[in-house]
Amino acid sequence: IAGITQAPTSQILAAGRRMTLRCTQDMRHNAMYWYRQDLGLGLRLIHYSNTAGTTGKGEVPDGYSVSRANTDDFPLTLASAVPSQTSVYFCASSAGTGPTDTQYFGPGTRLTVL
Amino acid sequence: GQNIDQPTEMTATEGAIVQINCTYQTSGFNGLFWYQQHAGEAPTFLSYNVLDGLEEKGRFSSFLSRSKGYSYLLLKELQMKDSASYLCAVMDSNYQLIWGAGTKLIIKP
Repeated sequence: IAGITQAPTSQILAAGRRMTLRCTQDMRHNAMYWYRQDLGLGLRLIHYSNTAGTTGKGEVPDGYSVSRANTDDFPLTLASAVPSQTSVYFCASSAGTGPTDTQYFGPGTRLTVL
Repeated sequence: GQNIDQPTEMTATEGAIVQINCTYQTSGFNGLFWYQQHAGEAPTFLSYNVLDGLEEKGRFSSFLSRSKGYSYLLLKELQMKDSASYLCAVMDSNYQLIWGAGTKLIIKP
């Protein structure tokens, strides 16, 4: 593989269920990010990780958790899904966290919570 | 609060030139990014400006005025494949990207 992969591509989920969205990158990037994208709104940062072993909260972290056990993987977990979490979720990575460190995006996961 | 404004939608003709504007108010400034996003796909990086002025990259150019909190993306010799959304994002003082809602560009033959 080359770049960032996300799984699943899409998912329909019943409210109250637990769900983990997977993200893997093979670029040895230090920083990784989770965004959600909703119609009419810009990408909003959920959680980020500047390096393996560390995580931080973004603009909209409530209802989501992340872990960064190694460099390559950055899963996003919805502990108990709610309909307002229906969105397209993008994982991204960058070599570092400086101004010139371009973020590269995965293909996205389209999640519907009913 | 932090805010990025860009037009919701624009229409242009194949072969023409179009300018997509972006104004911003953020806590700190560490550069402005433009990304392209085709429908159903991931955003892909187009350009980065941190100093005032024009950056040219083939058919695409990006301009920045930090004093005015303003940027534009200029697309020349438009092609049908340029139909996409164009996202403006500013890196704030915490080195996090603040994103505009995107401008959907429709190219007509």
